[in-house]
Amino acid sequence: GESVGLHLPTLSVQEGDNSIINCAYSNSASDYFIWYKQESGKGPQFIIDIRSNMDKRQGQRVTVLLNKTVKHLSLQIAATQPGDSAVYFCAEGTSYDKVIFGPGTSLSVIP
Amino acid sequence: GAGVSQSPRYKVAKRGQDVALRCDPISGHVSLFWYQQALGQGPEFLTYFQNEAQLDKSGLPSDRFFAERPEGSVSTLKIQRTQQEDSAVYLCASSSTGDSPLHFGNGTRLTVT
Repeated sequence: GESVGLHLPTLSVQEGDNSIINCAYSNSASDYFIWYKQESGKGPQFIIDIRSNMDKRQGQRVTVLLNKTVKHLSLQIAATQPGDSAVYFCAEGTSYDKVIFGPGTSLSVIP
Repeated sequence: GAGVSQSPRYKVAKRGQDVALRCDPISGHVSLFWYQQALGQGPEFLTYFQNEAQLDKSGLPSDRFFAERPEGSVSTLKIQRTQQEDSAVYLCASSSTGDSPLHFGNGTRLTVT
């Protein structure tokens, strides 16, 4: 999807399916990449991170893939659940001191 | 508490008023950050403290914005002479070191009328 102004890209998935959320980053010097989940009315919540010397990292039901060649980051969520519905942000930085957030993707899980 | 606490949760200010937003980081966290989040957008960096030292304030949009952390714990973000464009959610985050993920509070939603 495309994002214009207030309209976030939206991904709708069926409960139980896998979700893939994509992010293009801008700074080839970035060393840290982080995915955050933000539910309505709450602050961003850390999900998983990856450093530039890795191309894949797995957590509980989540996997982050990093492709430095094309400056692309993705978050895969296995067996998506209704509680996964939220806005997901990727963030990049040369350190954790000052990370830059992307525009976000809204994930909607269909029961 | 176990997490980052921000107060007030909501603040309505008339244009031209001064506001002060408070952040209580996780106990013992050295690093503290302020972010501004406009509706439908990602958080944008405002400023960063390590203990009581403000190491980076490059994201503060104007000299009407001022942040402090005098004792290296609680921080206050002050906005003077508020304008409508200041309406946003102001997020505070802390981390135990400069090399660990940020823990965010739930933010203060500021509405300037």
